[in-house]
Amino acid sequence: DTEVTQTPKHLVMGMTNKKSLKCEQHMGHRAMYWYKQKAKKPPELMFVYSYEKLSINESVPSRFSPECPNSSLLNLHLHALQPEDSALYLCASSHEPGTAYEQYFGPGTRLTVT
Amino acid sequence: AQSVAQPEDQVKVAEGNPLTVKCTYSVSGNPYLFWYVQYPNRGLQFLLKYITGDNLVKGSYGFEAEFNKSQTSFHLKKPSALVSDSALYFCAVSPRINDYKLSFGAGTTVTVRA
Repeated sequence: DTEVTQTPKHLVMGMTNKKSLKCEQHMGHRAMYWYKQKAKKPPELMFVYSYEKLSINESVPSRFSPECPNSSLLNLHLHALQPEDSALYLCASSHEPGTAYEQYFGPGTRLTVT
Repeated sequence: AQSVAQPEDQVKVAEGNPLTVKCTYSVSGNPYLFWYVQYPNRGLQFLLKYITGDNLVKGSYGFEAEFNKSQTSFHLKKPSALVSDSALYFCAVSPRINDYKLSFGAGTTVTVRA
């Protein structure tokens, strides 16, 4: 199984809502990533988890809160978002931490903040 | 600091013709180079990588890329393009094997006409 799944596919939320994005992989990968991608632009790294511990936070606003409950799951909790946070949110995983290992991406969650 | 340039926003070719997507990089030390492809409304898919060894790297779906250290380039090629190759292509680089962050190019949109 070389698949990374993400739910939901689409999410519309108001600026006062709280929601969560979910990501799952069953490839035994020990690194997991959250990216934000605007249309026709490259993905921007947000967070990296290495062996279930947060390794990188790319100065992401606190209204985004990541969580890694176990080695297969990655969540992104959203609260009090702004309209400019509307984007495609991609989850990825790699065999080991480190950019020498190719990353496997999920299909993404398309988020719209109203 | 590392960076990647994809000098062409768009590449258009006829089906059956060769396809080349250009990438140049700037990094101190030995680069680790990657190509990813993104089909509409999908996440990124890994195509190939150069870590070390043979300068010609073969990847998925008939793609290959040649690492040229003197020209600091890593162009993606396919001898005979298919309509289904129409997508957004990203080149990415990392300067160290244990880095977490890939630097992505701006992306090149490939259109293959029937």
